[in-house]
Amino acid sequence: GENVEQHPSTLSVQEGDSAVIKCTYSDSASNYFPWYKQELGKGPQLIIDIRSNVGEKKDQRIAVTLNKTAKHFSLHITETQPEDSAVYFCAASKNFGNEKLTFGTGTRLTIIP
Amino acid sequence: GAVVSQHPSWVICKSGTSVKIECRSLDFQATTMFWYRQFPKQSLMLMATSNEGSKATYEQGVEKDKFLINHASLTLSTLTVTSAHPEDSSFYICSAASGSNYGYTFGSGTRLTVV
Repeated sequence: GENVEQHPSTLSVQEGDSAVIKCTYSDSASNYFPWYKQELGKGPQLIIDIRSNVGEKKDQRIAVTLNKTAKHFSLHITETQPEDSAVYFCAASKNFGNEKLTFGTGTRLTIIP
Repeated sequence: GAVVSQHPSWVICKSGTSVKIECRSLDFQATTMFWYRQFPKQSLMLMATSNEGSKATYEQGVEKDKFLINHASLTLSTLTVTSAHPEDSSFYICSAASGSNYGYTFGSGTRLTVV
C-alpha cells in the first residue's frame, strides 16, 4: 500500500520568514496530494491541494509543488504569521474523493514572533 | 462549502460500556465515509471505509466487532466503540467524500476518554 513520509517533524521559523515542509510517497498511482492544517483538538482543515497533472499551485502565501518523477511534493508558506503555528499533514490518494487518503506523519510548525 | 458535523465533540465513558459517534454531511451526499483514529502527537490512521448501504471495509489490525460502523444513509455514518477500554481512548475523526464533487471533508473530531 501507499506510504507517505514527511519531514521535518518539527519546524520553527521567525515570523515573516518562509517555511517548507516536504513529503515523499511510494505509490506511483497516487494522483491527488492535499495538505491539511490541524489545530489542537480540531479536525484537519484543507489548505491547498494539487493533482498529478499539475506541477505547482499557489494560493496567496501558500504554494505546493509536485515532482511526479521523484514522487515528492512540498508545501511552501511565505511571510509566516503567528496564526500559521499548527500541525501540518500531507496526504496522498489514488482517486480523488473515492479512495482513502494516506497521511504523512505530520510537522509541528511554530512561528516565533 | 461542504460541511460535516461530528458529535459528540468529547465523551467520557466507563470501561466496558459502548459509545456512539455520529458524522453527518450537512449539505451534500456522502457516498463514502472514512473513519480515522489519532493518538496524541501522531498522524491520522485510517480505521475503516464505508460506502452507503454496504458493509464497512476495515484496515488491517482494526477489530470490526469492536468498532461498528453503520452508513445507512448518504448523510449519516456512525461509529460505535463497543466494550470500550482505556486503550481505546483517542481522537476519532470522520471524513465524508462524494467523489469528484466535494472530495474529502473532515469532521471536527471526537475526543474519547475511557476511564
